[in-house]
Amino acid sequence: QVQLVESGGGLVKPGGSLRLSCAASGFTFSDYYMSWIRQAPGKGLEWVSYISSSGSTIYYADSVKGRFTISRDNAKNSLYLQMNSLRAEDTAVYYCARVYSYANEYFDYWGQGTLVTVSS
Amino acid sequence: DIQMTQSPSTLSASVGDRVTITCRASQSISSWLAWYQQKPGKAPKLLIYKASSLESGVPSRFSGSGSGTEFTLTISSLQPDDFATYYCQQYNSYLWTFGQGTKVEIK
Repeated sequence: QVQLVESGGGLVKPGGSLRLSCAASGFTFSDYYMSWIRQAPGKGLEWVSYISSSGSTIYYADSVKGRFTISRDNAKNSLYLQMNSLRAEDTAVYYCARVYSYANEYFDYWGQGTLVTVSS
Repeated sequence: DIQMTQSPSTLSASVGDRVTITCRASQSISSWLAWYQQKPGKAPKLLIYKASSLESGVPSRFSGSGSGTEFTLTISSLQPDDFATYYCQQYNSYLWTFGQGTKVEIK
């Protein structure tokens, strides 16, 4: 069965950095596009970043562009999100999600999420 | 960016009620719309894709309709397990966006 397991969240000071990981299993990871989606406490869902199956196509939300970097290692079945210059407004649960397919970019499987708290 | 607006924000209903949630897009998105259910402390779960296609394993009491800019999610007979928050998401263009959510509460 498809499993996505995020890790790497925690408490970080404003301006700091954090690297999130998402370990994928139960499907051929290298065949799928992936995304990160976040949810601030008590708020709705916000798409953050997207990466194609090969890593050649990447998109970011304007709110994180220039600060966050998405990447993947298909040999390790893993997705990453490097977060730099963190701000209080980046505080959220971060989910990794599988994109169903190219041109059908809805999210068919989600991880359980990892909490990032940015506070001094 | 395409803005997605859901209504209502909160809905109070009883078990057995027919429930309808509306999602409006700021521009046409054809049928490129998905619906998700989220329970407290859990990840969202895909219910509907391409506006009206039911995801495998999702009960048939859930249905979706619409195209262009106006969409609806209907629960034909609300069950205790359905009390949750529902989100729509457009995937017509990158910079994928979600509605703000509709919380379905027990009346």
